[in-house]
Amino acid sequence: QVHLVQSGAEVKKPGASVQVSCKASGYTFANYGVSWVRQAPGQGLEWMGWVSAYSGFTSYAENFRGRITVTADTSAATAYMELRGLTSADTAVFFCARDLGIFAPDNIDSWGQGTLVTVSS
Amino acid sequence: VLTQSPSASAALGASVTITCTVNSVYETYAISWHQQQPEKGPRYLMTVNSNDTYMKADGIPDRFSGSSSGTERHLTISSLQSEDEADYYCQTWGTGIGVFGGGTKVTVL
Repeated sequence: QVHLVQSGAEVKKPGASVQVSCKASGYTFANYGVSWVRQAPGQGLEWMGWVSAYSGFTSYAENFRGRITVTADTSAATAYMELRGLTSADTAVFFCARDLGIFAPDNIDSWGQGTLVTVSS
Repeated sequence: VLTQSPSASAALGASVTITCTVNSVYETYAISWHQQQPEKGPRYLMTVNSNDTYMKADGIPDRFSGSSSGTERHLTISSLQSEDEADYYCQTWGTGIGVFGGGTKVTVL
């Protein structure tokens, strides 16, 4: 059974960076990608970026380009998302999700439990 | 790329169909449907293909089904239950990035 377990909640100051991890189990990690999704309070789902666990290729949404990095460590079956230059607008729950694409983003078919990041001075 | 109506409602035990309209450039693309119950994370429901076929995730009840016509991808919930009251999002990809619809809030009357 596919299982994605994310790291715990974080509290950060404005201007800081946050890294969220996503450990996968129940499938061959390198045969899929991982997408990252942000959900601000009371808002919808916003796609942020994707990494191929097969090749390490990445793709980012225009809104986050320049301050986001997503990586995948196949030896640990874990994906990481780093977001820099945090502002209060980044207070949100961040989800990782298994993505069918290994050469480009594709459809999502499984989700992590979410990580709450609170940005506050 | 993806357009959804913001809300839909139906009575307990009735059926409701929600629609995700794909930009015509992406008419051949499959989309996935995700359910988000209040205060929970999203759950993948199914993938709906452009050829009117769909594939559900394991454990999704039979009352959930998908269909497709042209640029429209549909999710139908039959025999509505109280636990089906949730936000439903469609998702796909285009020009090298992922994208979500704005979500449809389903209310069970």
